[in-house]
Amino acid sequence: NAGVTQTPKFQVLKTGQSMTLQCAQDMNHEYMSWYRQDPGMGLRLIHYSVGAGITDQGEVPNGYNVSRSTTEDFPLRLLSAAPSQTSVYFCASTSTGSGGYEQYFGPGTRLTVT
Amino acid sequence: GENVEQHPSTLSVQEGDSAVIKCTYSDSASNYFPWYKQELGKRPQLIIDIRSNVGEKKDQRIAVTLNKTAKHFSLHITETQPEDSAVYFCAASTDTDKLIFGTGTRLQVFP
Repeated sequence: NAGVTQTPKFQVLKTGQSMTLQCAQDMNHEYMSWYRQDPGMGLRLIHYSVGAGITDQGEVPNGYNVSRSTTEDFPLRLLSAAPSQTSVYFCASTSTGSGGYEQYFGPGTRLTVT
Repeated sequence: GENVEQHPSTLSVQEGDSAVIKCTYSDSASNYFPWYKQELGKRPQLIIDIRSNVGEKKDQRIAVTLNKTAKHFSLHITETQPEDSAVYFCAASTDTDKLIFGTGTRLQVFP
């Protein structure tokens, strides 16, 4: 099991550019989420999905789009990058067994927007 | 929606002492409360969690307590060691809803 994988690890964008952060999991989890992490702000939920074909907004969805065409993949699209989107982005998938709802995080993507 | 507050933002302790981190939540429907540890440059990892039908849970040197009436929960680390130094996040959610995180506590354990 690779767990949760994210690409790229690092990315630099110019203001106004668009790009897609990739996320994939091989654990057959239904729930997947995207977070951004900024110093002193903790992990803030951008978008989440409870299964293929279903997505919903989190705390800070503006400027981001998601889709979930398969159980495995949950890409995050930045439509027109802004310096305020400079952050570390974590994708997570959630195990929903009887023991709880553990979130498994990917290694993160460090994005800089200039 | 749910709002989670976490205190303190930084905590320094001597090796061997105890550390306590506290969180409050706003949504009385929340029933799942995990704690994550994030080492520098790494991804967050679950260290312990508690559900609302339990008041306390312990795993070796770490324990979590939950007070549903007051809507707060705490992480307790006993006999701290330098490798406990990290950022700790609390979070809250309902069974089928999104996980909302606190802002984190940077714990430093000095030898």
